[in-house]
Amino acid sequence: EADIYQTPRYLVIGTGKKITLECSQTMGHDKMYWYQQDPGMELHLIHYSYGVNSTEKGDLSSESTVSRIRTEHFPLTLESARPSHTSQYLCASSDGRRAAFFGQGTRLTVV
Amino acid sequence: GENVEQHPSTLSVQEGDSAVIKCTYSDSASNYFPWYKQELGKGPQLIIDIRSNVGEKKDQRIAVTLNKTAKHFSLHITETQPEDSAVYFCAASLLTGGGNKLTFGTGTQLKVEL
Repeated sequence: EADIYQTPRYLVIGTGKKITLECSQTMGHDKMYWYQQDPGMELHLIHYSYGVNSTEKGDLSSESTVSRIRTEHFPLTLESARPSHTSQYLCASSDGRRAAFFGQGTRLTVV
Repeated sequence: GENVEQHPSTLSVQEGDSAVIKCTYSDSASNYFPWYKQELGKGPQLIIDIRSNVGEKKDQRIAVTLNKTAKHFSLHITETQPEDSAVYFCAASLLTGGGNKLTFGTGTQLKVEL
């Protein structure tokens, strides 16, 4: 069982609110990722980090931002939530030598 | 960048039958191919992976084959059981030691019927 945790699991929030999705891992992995999963199941990489103070945008453009101040922590922030941000957000981590481990996900609904 | 195609998008089999899911990738430099299983309400879970220096790998009822020349790889599940029902994703990556961004296929919804 992978030790990567996401909170909250579910979030319903009003338009215009600022939100932060939390992701933490206890495996000491230096590589962490955020994926957005749409209702059609596809997984799209929106952010990744290869170490502390290193963050990059992924293949899918996103209005969210991320930070990596500590190895184990990779939070995602939306400054002003909109209904178009409604989705499932999945965090993952890896040691770079094999596949990434995923958290349980946060299902975000913006009303 | 890498592009991964996955087929079929849905697959329904009878319990005990075999299921095969196929993926193709575009970047010949990719050298690592994991498969994930995602159950309802959960994150994807790694079930098997294969590196480009291996043509086939098996783990109990699950096997993966890789054809580097044709740039395609497949997941084979034998003796399917109801608990195999889930969404399966293939992925491709270039493992360099510096990072391993995964490019995912579009997923296959597998339903095992009693």
